[in-house]
Amino acid sequence: GAVVSQHPSWVICKSGTSVKIECRSLDFQATTMFWYRQFPKQSLMLMATSNEGSKATYEQGVEKDKFLINHASLTLSTLTVTSAHPEDSSFYICSASGGQFNQPQHFGDGTRLSIL
Amino acid sequence: AQSVSQHNHHVILSEAASLELGCNYSYGGTVNLFWYVQYPGQHLQLLLKYFSGDPLVKGIKGFEAEFIKSKFSFNLRKPSVQWSDTAEYFCAVNAYSPDAGGTSYGKLTFGQGTILTVHP
Repeated sequence: GAVVSQHPSWVICKSGTSVKIECRSLDFQATTMFWYRQFPKQSLMLMATSNEGSKATYEQGVEKDKFLINHASLTLSTLTVTSAHPEDSSFYICSASGGQFNQPQHFGDGTRLSIL
Repeated sequence: AQSVSQHNHHVILSEAASLELGCNYSYGGTVNLFWYVQYPGQHLQLLLKYFSGDPLVKGIKGFEAEFIKSKFSFNLRKPSVQWSDTAEYFCAVNAYSPDAGGTSYGKLTFGQGTILTVHP
């Protein structure tokens, strides 16, 4: 149980393009979803926390207008990288939990984004 | 804000050797502690977690971790590693902040990760 599906797994696109990444909880209701970014040889850095039906909470230094997050249902959250540039190339990972304090997060497989 | 420090970036062991990976965190309040493992080409998987109670926590695949509150540590151990334990290991902390509202629940801070290479 507790499977999180992330799509696409890899995307390559031109600079200036907007890219949407989906994160779905397949067998549980994810009250809270998290979006992380991981640079090579570095740890995961939390970008934002999204609760179903409300606006996402962004971490300091993360541009809200650049990284649009939508959590419209209990099983789906999307991250849209708007007008992507080469510096946005990274590994993006989502996770989901039931939203309670003592609920562990379940992670998707990640999306490798390469901007040319 | 909390922070998590993992002492070793890369650990290389031979099979059957004992393993201990260090993890220290900085936060004075209530915490939940986790160890996640990422096998090559796979997503992060929960290895074990500590919420409360017995500070010695047993996880999957023979791993265990001990929460020492006075040292702000949550070190991961395994008495005898196998080649299949080759992976990257992340320590993570979820700090409870009653004033921060619901959005703080589940917010994890990760350590830098430790790559474990086990030679057969």
